[in-house]
Amino acid sequence: DAKTTQPTSMDCAEGRAANLPCNHSTISGNEYVYWYRQIHSQGPQYIIHGLKNNETNEMASLIITEDRKSSTLILPHATLRDTAVYYCIVRSNNAGNMLTFGGGTRLMVKP
Amino acid sequence: DGGITQSPKYLFRKEGQNVTLSCEQNLNHDAMYWYRQDPGQGLRLIYYSQIVNDFQKGDIAEGYSVSREKKESFPLTVTSAQKNPTAFYLCASRQDHSGANVLTFGAGSRLTVL
Repeated sequence: DAKTTQPTSMDCAEGRAANLPCNHSTISGNEYVYWYRQIHSQGPQYIIHGLKNNETNEMASLIITEDRKSSTLILPHATLRDTAVYYCIVRSNNAGNMLTFGGGTRLMVKP
Repeated sequence: DGGITQSPKYLFRKEGQNVTLSCEQNLNHDAMYWYRQDPGQGLRLIYYSQIVNDFQKGDIAEGYSVSREKKESFPLTVTSAQKNPTAFYLCASRQDHSGANVLTFGAGSRLTVL
């Protein structure tokens, strides 16, 4: 399984873009990049996922490098409610594959 | 609204007692999961079930038991054999046929052993 490396913590000013990096240099061809977040004392929430193309939805954008060895989650206009732990997970879509949630990045959005 | 309901939200237990955490979903999802989270840590998989009447152990199944008699329900029992049960427990579900690893989580149950 491809492992991921994320910074332990990051700060972002309210209203600015938050760019959260993730390294996954051992990713294989059929593995997707998933992003979830967990607000304090709540269950994790799915944000976005992608294989090789950049993806965008109402919550965020996902930029995957051409070699797929790293990706960046972008929250275009961070708000205080975006303060959370963000998990980057790499996994194939086989039914038996479980998602593994590591330490993640603790994003603090400051006024 | 469709979703996952976990109960109770908070639970206190004396050492040596078994306790059952409830997880109910009305999303018609096939697969269900139980994770454990300790303070400042990520999530660890306890048990999962991909279909009714079938379940598999995850990474930390010792001291826990589950059942999957109905598609909607996946209760977790924390037994007295679990040496350090104080933790935040999270239930999730996934619609397998979609192919994507998109999990929907409940709000969690926080268990404290006194």
